[in-house]
This record gives sequence, structure tokens and C-alpha cells, in this order.
Amino acid sequence: DADVTQTPRNRITKTGKRIMLECSQTKGHDRMYWYRQDPGLGLRLIYYSFDVKDINKGEISDGYSVSRQAQAKFSLSLESAIPNQTALYFCATSATDTYEQYFGPGTRLTVT
Amino acid sequence: DQQVKQNSPSLSVQEGRISILNCDYTNSMFDYFLWYKKYPAEGPTFLISISSIKDKNEDGRFTVFLNKSAKHLSLHIVPSQPGDSAVYFCAAIDSGGSNYKLTFGKGTLLTVNP
Repeated sequence: DADVTQTPRNRITKTGKRIMLECSQTKGHDRMYWYRQDPGLGLRLIYYSFDVKDINKGEISDGYSVSRQAQAKFSLSLESAIPNQTALYFCATSATDTYEQYFGPGTRLTVT
Repeated sequence: DQQVKQNSPSLSVQEGRISILNCDYTNSMFDYFLWYKKYPAEGPTFLISISSIKDKNEDGRFTVFLNKSAKHLSLHIVPSQPGDSAVYFCAAIDSGGSNYKLTFGKGTLLTVNP
């Protein structure tokens, strides 16, 4: 079983719709992250959380919100999706005081 | 301003030969570096890392070299195998910062030809 899972794996939605991407992990890590990847670009950090009560904005948080429902769950929401949010979204986790992050398989989101 | 640069979008090598993937950084506060490998339809997987107190770290066929004065690191794969074909991302972190934020390069697509 995968340690970091993301649902859905693929999603097509229309402009203006609200959409939620979910991430669950069984690694027991406190830290969780959301990244997006665009073609030809590296991964850019959207939000991160160091524990259930800690939420922080990353470098591209505008248009996104997150919820850390439990240590194992971290959701990313697009309140009103727009076409330039079409991208590959990755969730990642890490243990406290380590640098290595472990990624989920990704969600391919298309906003039409 | 791109702080981690992978200037070669792609690299093609023959099976059995050495693959060398390069990465440059501009932020002198970066002191820990990681390489990730990504196959299509999968998330990136951690490959190897190096701290700035070292200039080399080796793990099997994979070796990372760090040249702090040049702000340059490289990943060597010897010998290269077709299964190594993937996108490789270089990432850096300022461990003295408070957020453990990884800064990624744009990636290099490695193709290993049989």
C-alpha cells in the first residue's frame, strides 16, 4: 500500500467550480505539503503544515486554501477554479527535523 | 528569480555509460541538497542527498558532488541503465530557516538508450 495517497488522481472541472484535492498518509509524519508542477517548471510550494494546528502559506498560495483535518490528512481547495490552475498537484510529507520529503502520486487537474 | 537552476532540460546517454546531471544555485544560505527522480504518472521519489559539510556522497550507482565555491552540484549515475530514464529534480534547502522549504529546479529529462 502506498504511504502517501491522493484523491482524485485526475479531475476535469469548469471555471468557477469549487474543488477539493485530498491527501492521506500512513507514514506517521507530522509535516505535510502541497505543491504544484507546471510543464517545464519545477515544483512550487502552495501551502505547508507542520502539525494539525499549524498552517503556512507557500510561494503561490493565492487562489488556494487548505485544511489539516488530522495528522494524516491534508486537503487542498480551489474555491473558484480558473484555467491557469490547470496543473499537476502533489502532496508530500516529512518527519520532523528531516529534510527528505515523500510525495504522493499526484492529481492531474484540468480547469476548462 | 530562480534560485536553483538545471540548465539542461534533457540528456541522452547510452546504457552502461555515465550520466552526469548538473545543478547550480544562487542562494548562499542553501546548505542541504537533494535529488529526486520522477517517472511519468508518479510522484517524485527521493534519490540521494548531500550536506554542505561534505563534497561527495555515494549510494550504489549514484554519487552526488558538491562544489560550494562554485555553487554547483552534480549527480553521477554509473553505469546508466534504461530504468534510470526519468526526470531528475535538484532541490535545495536552507536548514537554518524555520520552514524546511525545498526549492526545486525545473528538472532534467534523462533518457538512457539500450
